[in-house]
Amino acid sequence: QVQLVQSGAEVKKPGASVKVSCKASGYTFTAYAMHWVRQAPGQRLEWVGWINAGNGNTKYSQRFQGRLTITRDTSASTAYMELSSLRSEDTAVYYCARYQGGGGFDIWGQGTMVTVSS
Amino acid sequence: QSALTQPASVSGSPGQSITISCTGTSSDIGGYNYVSWYQQHPGKAPKLMIYGVSNRPSGVSNRFSGSKSGNTASLTISGLQAEDEADYYCSSYTVSSTYVFGTGTTVTVL
Repeated sequence: QVQLVQSGAEVKKPGASVKVSCKASGYTFTAYAMHWVRQAPGQRLEWVGWINAGNGNTKYSQRFQGRLTITRDTSASTAYMELSSLRSEDTAVYYCARYQGGGGFDIWGQGTMVTVSS
Repeated sequence: QSALTQPASVSGSPGQSITISCTGTSSDIGGYNYVSWYQQHPGKAPKLMIYGVSNRPSGVSNRFSGSKSGNTASLTISGLQAEDEADYYCSSYTVSSTYVFGTGTTVTVL
């Protein structure tokens, strides 16, 4: 079946970087864009950025410019989100989500908890 | 990009209908028909309920419907059921080629 499986929880110190993976299965990876969304504890969803899995083009939220890198490995059907210069406010669950068109994210990963703490 | 504005909470009795509003600007909701809605139960990933303003994905109950007027989108849940109790988020494409989510609404079934 169509699914996205993300890497496990991470604990990082302030100033460090984290790289979260999202492995797709059950569909043609390069035919869909992949988005990243985060949710701080008890807070709303926040859009982070996306990658065109076919050509690798990316677009990031202004909030993360300079700290965020989204990449993909088509041979592994996997997308990656790397966030650097981590601060406590980056503590959140990070989700990958497939974009199906019409503004809708139809398949979501299970989420990866990233905790930033000294 | 500021978050889209949703009411913090909406409640209703079983069988009733409720409507959740989502207000943006002409740079997001008002400018594009790329509005979607998500249901999120505690500790779970969001689930797509509506896309393209008013389209339901396969498997989503027809008790859920979406609409848009100007800069405001709406999600209506008819025949409210206990399992509908959850957080709901709207989302829209924006003029900056980015996406923005709403502030979120907690639906309580009385």
